[in-house]
Amino acid sequence: SAVISQKPSRDICQRGTSLTIQCQVDSQVTMMFWYRQQPGQSLTLIATANQGSEATYESGFVIDKFPISRPNLTFSTLTVSNMSPEDSSIYLCSVDFRRDRTGTQYFGPGTRLTVL
Amino acid sequence: DAKTTQPNSMESNEEEPVHLPCNHSTISGTDYIHWYRQLPSQGPEYVIHGLTSNVNNRMASLAIAEDRKSSTLILHRATLRDAAVYYCILPVVKLTFGTGTRLTIIP
Repeated sequence: SAVISQKPSRDICQRGTSLTIQCQVDSQVTMMFWYRQQPGQSLTLIATANQGSEATYESGFVIDKFPISRPNLTFSTLTVSNMSPEDSSIYLCSVDFRRDRTGTQYFGPGTRLTVL
Repeated sequence: DAKTTQPNSMESNEEEPVHLPCNHSTISGTDYIHWYRQLPSQGPEYVIHGLTSNVNNRMASLAIAEDRKSSTLILHRATLRDAAVYYCILPVVKLTFGTGTRLTIIP
């Protein structure tokens, strides 16, 4: 496993603003992912953060709304742009070391976002 | 990812074993069976995974049917801290979370 941290842990933001969420891992990882968990719902994959190239987005998610950076093998950011109350969710990053190629992922603690 | 089916909720008494079922009838021969759980106000936590044989670790046991179309996560002695939503997932590179089973532990 690994130590995965996210900043901020929570935030309250105004409509129309943007928030950048950071994910830091204490060791190099092959794959990093970003998920959203809307209130009372299960997790939905937003995108795969690719090191050195553009993120791969899932259906329903676009780069303009959720730009992602991954400058190295231990760090990634997710920006929630032009926020509306519907963006109020928990945002989680996860990592896959691909050591055994079984798909096991380890999750950060999440960032709880409230948009007013 | 192949589809999985789990009961929406289950209850168990504290200090008793819990058997959480999962059906995955469309599983392919190379799909691993993963279980994660999400405690209240936390991110998901990896529990266990297996391919064909039953697996044990410090958290739980995973019993896999001979035809691999179903599996059961076994918590040998449930505690109040095991109250969580349990997800059965068959990942192919990425994880697809269903609704999972909400486990309630009765003191």
